[in-house]
Amino acid sequence: DAKTTQPPSMDCAEGRAANLPCNHSTISGNEYVYWYRQIHSQGPQYIIHGLKNNETNEMASLIITEDRKSSTLILPHATLRDTAVYYCIVRGYNTDKLIFGTGTRLQVFP
Amino acid sequence: DTAVSQTPKYLVTQMGNDKSIKCEQNLGHDTMYWYKQDSKKFLKIMFSYNNKELIINETVPNRFSPKSPDKAHLNLHINSLELGDSAVYFCASSRQATNEKLFFGSGTQLSVL
Repeated sequence: DAKTTQPPSMDCAEGRAANLPCNHSTISGNEYVYWYRQIHSQGPQYIIHGLKNNETNEMASLIITEDRKSSTLILPHATLRDTAVYYCIVRGYNTDKLIFGTGTRLQVFP
Repeated sequence: DTAVSQTPKYLVTQMGNDKSIKCEQNLGHDTMYWYKQDSKKFLKIMFSYNNKELIINETVPNRFSPKSPDKAHLNLHINSLELGDSAVYFCASSRQATNEKLFFGSGTQLSVL
């Protein structure tokens, strides 16, 4: 599975959009981009995933660049409860492992 | 109703003891996992079972033995506990083994004294 690079930490004001970048320059054609988050003392929570098209669900939007070498997770209106560590993971279609990196610690402030 | 539940939530024990952590999922999933999160917050996969069969074993010491009596349960038994086993252990499940989102339990914090 390709490796990912994320900034270690980011801040965002409550009510504003949080844009979390992820670099995955070695991604191959059949690998998906997954995003999970871990709120303090809880288990990781699935957010969204995509292959090459942009995706949106009730939690977030995922924007994947045309060359697929990077992506951005967008939380459109961040709340204090969105404070968490966000993990960007690249996973092969037939891979049964989800490998977590170090993630981005997002702090939402009032 | 909790989808993936683990017990106990906290486990404090002495070195050398044997302990078990239980995990149950009510999602009807075929695949279950154990992950370990150490003090530096790295999450690492330990085991994966698909329909009660072991499919991933990530170079975990053989003191750790997973047991899956049925596809809704995956328990983790640890023999001869060591200080380095102190961590948070997360159980997870997915509908199938590949390309599916994982649902995680709330974790078991194990402290070995």
